[in-house]
Amino acid sequence: DAGVIQSPRHEVTEMGQEVTLRCKPISGHNSLFWYRQTMMRGLELLIYFNNNVPIDDSGMPEDRFSAKMPNASFSTLKIQPSEPRDSAVYFCASIDTTRYNSPLHFGNGTRLTVT
Amino acid sequence: GENVEQHPSTLSVQEGDSAVIKCTYSDSASNYFPWYKQELGKRPQLIIDIRSNVGEKKDQRIAVTLNKTAKHFSLHITETQPEDSAVYFCAASRNYGGSQGNLIFGKGTKLSVKP
Repeated sequence: DAGVIQSPRHEVTEMGQEVTLRCKPISGHNSLFWYRQTMMRGLELLIYFNNNVPIDDSGMPEDRFSAKMPNASFSTLKIQPSEPRDSAVYFCASIDTTRYNSPLHFGNGTRLTVT
Repeated sequence: GENVEQHPSTLSVQEGDSAVIKCTYSDSASNYFPWYKQELGKRPQLIIDIRSNVGEKKDQRIAVTLNKTAKHFSLHITETQPEDSAVYFCAASRNYGGSQGNLIFGKGTKLSVKP
């Protein structure tokens, strides 16, 4: 099991540019989550999908952020246009909700720096 | 709104001593409480979790206790070792949405174990 795979590991971009973060959940997991981690706000949920359908996007900060899950093995988080305050580590995580004791597994994260 | 408070924010102990981290939560409907360990530059990793129908759970040197009435839960690490040094996060599930991956995280405790 390769775990949750995220790319890129690091992204440096200029303000105003579009940023796309990618995630491949663990095979067989049916729920996928995007979390953001900053020193000020800690770990906060942005959006999550169940069976590829967005369930709760109340954590998405504003319309500049969008997320998609076109199939069970791939999701993207897009920021357009990016701003310096978007700088953070973005984690993707997945879980198998059909198993009672299935914990949330995090990917290695994408460190985004917007200058 | 929903909230998880975690104390202390930093904790320094001597190798071999015990460490205790405490969290309180606001949503009485929360029923799943995981603890994650995050080393510098790495992803959060689950170390132990507890459900609301259990008051205590132990796994070798790590134990978690839950008091549902008071809405607080604690992590206990005994015989600490330098490799226990990391940031520890508690979390509580949001009951709506139905997924135990939909978590509210505390702000973290930086644990330093001195040899």
